[in-house]
Amino acid sequence: DAGVTQSPTHLIKTRGQHVTLRCSPISGHKSVSWYQQVLGQGPQFIFQYYEKEERGRGNFPDRFSARQFPNYSSELNVNALLLGDSALYLCASSPRGGADYGYTFGSGTRLTVV
Amino acid sequence: AQKITQTQPGMFVQEKEAVTLDCTYDTSDQSYGLFWYKQPSSGEMIFLIYQGSYDEQNATEGRYSLNFQKARKSANLVISASQLGDSAMYFCAMREGLSGGSQGNLIFGKGTKLSVKP
Repeated sequence: DAGVTQSPTHLIKTRGQHVTLRCSPISGHKSVSWYQQVLGQGPQFIFQYYEKEERGRGNFPDRFSARQFPNYSSELNVNALLLGDSALYLCASSPRGGADYGYTFGSGTRLTVV
Repeated sequence: AQKITQTQPGMFVQEKEAVTLDCTYDTSDQSYGLFWYKQPSSGEMIFLIYQGSYDEQNATEGRYSLNFQKARKSANLVISASQLGDSAMYFCAMREGLSGGSQGNLIFGKGTKLSVKP
């Protein structure tokens, strides 16, 4: 079975541009979470979606948005990119939202903003 | 507010020896979960071990064990018989309490870089 897949693996964008990151959860998993990991830090929670509804949001500006599709895949969108948005963006999936501890992470998308 | 503290930025261990990576946490919730993840240079977060706040026994998974001391709010990871492939970043994380409709997202520490010497 395929694990959590994220695309693209690497991305370079210019300040002010928009970016869309994609995540496909493990088959059967209905919850997807997004994390931002800045160099030298632990991951920080951005969003969680379960059954296509937003279930949680971290302390990130409105430039960050996400959605989950009927097939449970998810997109993370970031508008008006800043240099500080350069990070590894990790997606994690789990069978259920909140009550289950089985989080499986993808390999991430490494975003560089220049 | 919930918080995870990892005080060791880097650790060295000789191959085949055991090593303990420290983690302390702060929460006012009664129900919580503690995790350890390994992150090699490729970036993927690999789940190692889980301990629930109500679990009476320390969790073990192969060469990994979690030394859970609830009163001291510590959840140290012990890796026995270290291997060269264990060289990576290690993150301790806590899942917020599940009461009150919490979504259960993870809070991570800053990590410990483990280097295994041959």
